[in-house]
Amino acid sequence: AQTVTQSQPEMSVQEAETVTLSCTYDTSESDYYLFWYKQPPSRQMILVIRQEAYKQQNATENRFSVNFQKAAKSFSLKISDSQLGDAAMYFCAYRSPQGAQKLVFGQGTRLTINP
Amino acid sequence: DTAVSQTPKYLVTQMGNDKSIKCEQNLGHDTMYWYKQDSKKFLKIMFSYNNKELIINETVPNRFSPKSPDKAHLNLHINSLELGDSAVYFCASSHVSRGRGIYGYTFGSGTRLTVV
Repeated sequence: AQTVTQSQPEMSVQEAETVTLSCTYDTSESDYYLFWYKQPPSRQMILVIRQEAYKQQNATENRFSVNFQKAAKSFSLKISDSQLGDAAMYFCAYRSPQGAQKLVFGQGTRLTINP
Repeated sequence: DTAVSQTPKYLVTQMGNDKSIKCEQNLGHDTMYWYKQDSKKFLKIMFSYNNKELIINETVPNRFSPKSPDKAHLNLHINSLELGDSAVYFCASSHVSRGRGIYGYTFGSGTRLTVV
């Protein structure tokens, strides 16, 4: 079974600076999908960014980018020019292309933005 | 238009009661899911239906029973509620891709269940 590990329960960053959230996963599959979700205090789960394992190019979405290291099974999220609205729980998630394709989540990282 | 809607958003009830949470999606997705988020914010899948067929049934007490009348609806009924059932329950939907597509889930806004 696949597992996802986020080793940083909490992180903080000054507004306008850059922060990187870590994620590692364990799988025997060669093809899969990885995601970062954001959960602000409103509780809504918001998709931030996605990455296909067969693509070597790292995904980017505006101020959000990932560092995908397939051999190391690492998928970190970089947030540039941090804004107060970025404060939230961030979840890394793995999705297999096989079977029911359920999302397996990491434990989450709580990100605080200091003004 | 809300893509995945859950009702109710909040539910406070006494131990031993039976309650239901409803979920509807208007995205045309073929698969729907129930996730439980515990007090430590950990998200774990409970059930999944694909075109009204149960395809995931994780280790969940029998008191929890999902029902999918059609592929746009997935309800969760809980019998004999216990204190430990208190959590946030999320409904989600997605396509199940058999090709080289990438699909995230679209989540509902969650139902905070408090058992007293």
